[in-house]
Amino acid sequence: GAVVSQHPSWVICKSGTSVKIECRSLDFQATTMFWYRQFPKQSLMLMATSNEGSKATYEQGVEKDKFLINHASLTLSTLTVTSAHPEDSSFYICSAGSPPMNTEAFFGQGTRLTVV
Amino acid sequence: GQQLNQSPQSMFIQEGEDVSMNCTSSSIFNTWLWYKQDPGEGPVLLIALYKAGELTSNGRLTAQFGITRKDSFLNISASIPSDVGIYFCAGHPSNTGNQFYFGTGTSLTVIP
Repeated sequence: GAVVSQHPSWVICKSGTSVKIECRSLDFQATTMFWYRQFPKQSLMLMATSNEGSKATYEQGVEKDKFLINHASLTLSTLTVTSAHPEDSSFYICSAGSPPMNTEAFFGQGTRLTVV
Repeated sequence: GQQLNQSPQSMFIQEGEDVSMNCTSSSIFNTWLWYKQDPGEGPVLLIALYKAGELTSNGRLTAQFGITRKDSFLNISASIPSDVGIYFCAGHPSNTGNQFYFGTGTSLTVIP
């Protein structure tokens, strides 16, 4: 299957700072990538859909100014958690749909964010 | 967003036993996917289903796309300790659309 790489795998930051997480499709071009948040022992919650060359589509209840998404190329989407707070601590996972029909989703390895 | 109902929520089984879990939705899906997630890792795709009634195997895993297109089933035969993890179903409402909707997950524990 297609390979999606996410970086960093884990990050600890101070409250009030911003953190950037990268999601790369390594062997295919992804016009659409997805960002999820996962709390312990819970399912994946879709935060936003990242569209190459256009604005991201956010799910209801997700603050777009808080979680900035940029999809500047066909192989890279970034999620920036701005002014992080302890309640933002979570496991963030990205995925990309398989081309050309987006029929399968391949996931990055996830990023464990801890805000102290 | 939409979420799929997955059951059971958790399972504790003896090594060697078979496992069954299912996923249901209130709406029709054109694609069903089954993933396994290990702690601290992203989900890994196990099986993809594209047609109603389709039955697909991947080693000891077998999944079926329900006839109604509103459900899917995953079976694991002769479980082994490395089967431990959380299994998620995912549905895709359209072959050309964007979003994937995920089940609530089934946590599997295999007792040696």
